[in-house]
Amino acid sequence: ETGVTQTPRHLVMGMTNKKSLKCEQHLGHNAMYWYKQSAKKPLELMFVYNFKEQTENNSVPSRFSPECPNSSHLFLHLHTLQPEDSALYLCASSQEGGKLAKNIQYFGAGTRLSVL
Amino acid sequence: AQTVTQSQPEMSVQEAETVTLSCTYDTSESDYYLFWYKQPPSRQMILVIRQEAYKQQNATENRFSVNFQKAAKSFSLKISDSQLGDAAMYFCAYHNNDMRFGAGTRLTVKP
Repeated sequence: ETGVTQTPRHLVMGMTNKKSLKCEQHLGHNAMYWYKQSAKKPLELMFVYNFKEQTENNSVPSRFSPECPNSSHLFLHLHTLQPEDSALYLCASSQEGGKLAKNIQYFGAGTRLSVL
Repeated sequence: AQTVTQSQPEMSVQEAETVTLSCTYDTSESDYYLFWYKQPPSRQMILVIRQEAYKQQNATENRFSVNFQKAAKSFSLKISDSQLGDAAMYFCAYHNNDMRFGAGTRLTVKP
């Protein structure tokens, strides 16, 4: 248990559905991250929030919409996804974000998303 | 752009033996951090070991140690006395401005 909890663990959705992934951290961290993990590919950083402000958006399609209401919670809102969006979505947190921050990232167990 | 390369998609080791996982990276920066993460079937990424680039001494955590060659941009992980619980995907990661991961090495431990 790393102190980062993701729900749901598994999600199956159609291309016209709207769903949300939730991440919660109990570590008192100020930075939170969304990653996409596809088979046989490196983890892809999607979004970074530092002190609730979005500091990075790695050219992620607008069908993925992040929300960070406070430093402990991070959401990823999904709508009109494509089958190629099927992947494991990992959330992480760290004490702080940014360049050369002492950034040990603690990860959740991920949400396995299948888009039909 | 910084890239991280793990050239071994799969590795196998006999229980109690030693195995080394390779990682190289590309960067023009002089100050950065390097990490090895382990991802077991439970999917939770767990930090194994961390190296700060300005430190010449190789990091060690119990049975896990690294061989950090800054000039060669190489950061290999050595697992000594391998245990069945070490079986997992291992990811090398580089951090300067943001975190970049390699594609991973799947380690199998044979009893």
